[in-house]
Amino acid sequence: EPEVTQTPSHQVTQMGQEVILRCVPISNHLYFYWYRQILGQKVEFLVSFYNNEISEKSEIFDDQFSVERPDGSNFTLKIRSTKLEDSAMYFCASLFVAGGETQYFGPGTRLLVL
Amino acid sequence: SQQGEEDPQALSIQEGENATMNCSYKTSINNLQWYRQNSGRGLVHLILIRSNEREKHSGRLRVTLDTSKKSSSLLITASRAADTASYFCATTRSQGNLIFGKGTKLSVKP
Repeated sequence: EPEVTQTPSHQVTQMGQEVILRCVPISNHLYFYWYRQILGQKVEFLVSFYNNEISEKSEIFDDQFSVERPDGSNFTLKIRSTKLEDSAMYFCASLFVAGGETQYFGPGTRLLVL
Repeated sequence: SQQGEEDPQALSIQEGENATMNCSYKTSINNLQWYRQNSGRGLVHLILIRSNEREKHSGRLRVTLDTSKKSSSLLITASRAADTASYFCATTRSQGNLIFGKGTKLSVKP
């Protein structure tokens, strides 16, 4: 069964460093998402991406964040200058068609900012 | 406004018992989904119910949706220790992004 994959599974970084989280969505899916989950809290939407551009973003997704689909398979989330409060689990998800279908989540990347 | 508020926040039952979790939301929806998350792991999609559906079954799962009350429930029948996890409801926005609730932490004791 096709699945969303994410790398790395864990990343530890120093405050102020840039990190890039990678995702490979399901191959025929058209919509891509990033979510984050701070430890013990709910999953929060960050950004959605369709047709090579951001379609919606939350207030969490400030100028420190960017997303890219550099080729036909990868979908990346970049945090330019990490803060302590960026420590969280980051989930990528993909969807074939917006509006009523199941969103498939990757296993997540656990980011720890020291 | 927050969407998808689940209750209870935590639920502890014995294996074999049924578990019922509830979810309320505030705005109109196209569909509502339930996800499961084992501790520290990814989200697994369980079931989707559309706004024009009232009840849906999948194996030991039964989901109801009451759009007049803006609420949904997830029933897991004959629970097993392996059902121990957090369960989240999520509503879908127009671009497909999901708004999650805080979740119910279910513990099934063998």
